[in-house]
Amino acid sequence: SQQGEEDPQALSIQEGENATMNCSYKTSINNLQWYRQNSGRGLVHLILIRSNEREKHSGRLRVTLDTSKKSSSLLITASRAADTASYFCAFLQGAQKLVFGQGTRLTINP
Amino acid sequence: DAGVIQSPRHEVTEMGQEVTLRCKPISGHDYLFWYRQTMMRGLELLIYFNNNVPIDDSGMPEDRFSAKMPNASFSTLKIQPSEPRDSAVYFCASSFGQGRYGYTFGSGTRLTVV
Repeated sequence: SQQGEEDPQALSIQEGENATMNCSYKTSINNLQWYRQNSGRGLVHLILIRSNEREKHSGRLRVTLDTSKKSSSLLITASRAADTASYFCAFLQGAQKLVFGQGTRLTINP
Repeated sequence: DAGVIQSPRHEVTEMGQEVTLRCKPISGHDYLFWYRQTMMRGLELLIYFNNNVPIDDSGMPEDRFSAKMPNASFSTLKIQPSEPRDSAVYFCASSFGQGRYGYTFGSGTRLTVV
């Protein structure tokens, strides 16, 4: 499969804790992106990291990329109830083909 | 900008009927994508357009599916005839350039074929 694989499939933590999600892929990529999907809604773009970058920050989000291991991680610090959602990694293959992983369901317990 | 607009939000139809899903991308975006999301298969890219021209339709499951983009502000995805296994959430997304700023997704159309 050309899809990414995400780990874990589901994650439940207490509010205020950090949440880490991982993504692995199989082929070379141009960039890797992370999206959030709230229940019953569309996907929202969170952050993009290029293949020549190793780490990127945006607010409480930190993304790392290891092209040698073909893997990425998304860290959400100081989690909030509003962070409860599914998170997807997606990578750009070729000119313009964004392929999504299966997603991680994150639940933040108050 | 109101974002990517999809209609209808929900569609329930009987097997064999024609279904048309609609999408209005963000003004100025030159790429438009149609995705399908199911529990079993996740998010699948069906087809994408660049400047209104279909570039890659390899994800379209069968000849029953067709997509058009007659102008920069409108696209349709048609299923004829529809089958129960087509039940899914269909998303439209648009982007500018090579997607370096990410894709903007619509809220989706939840299709149920009975």
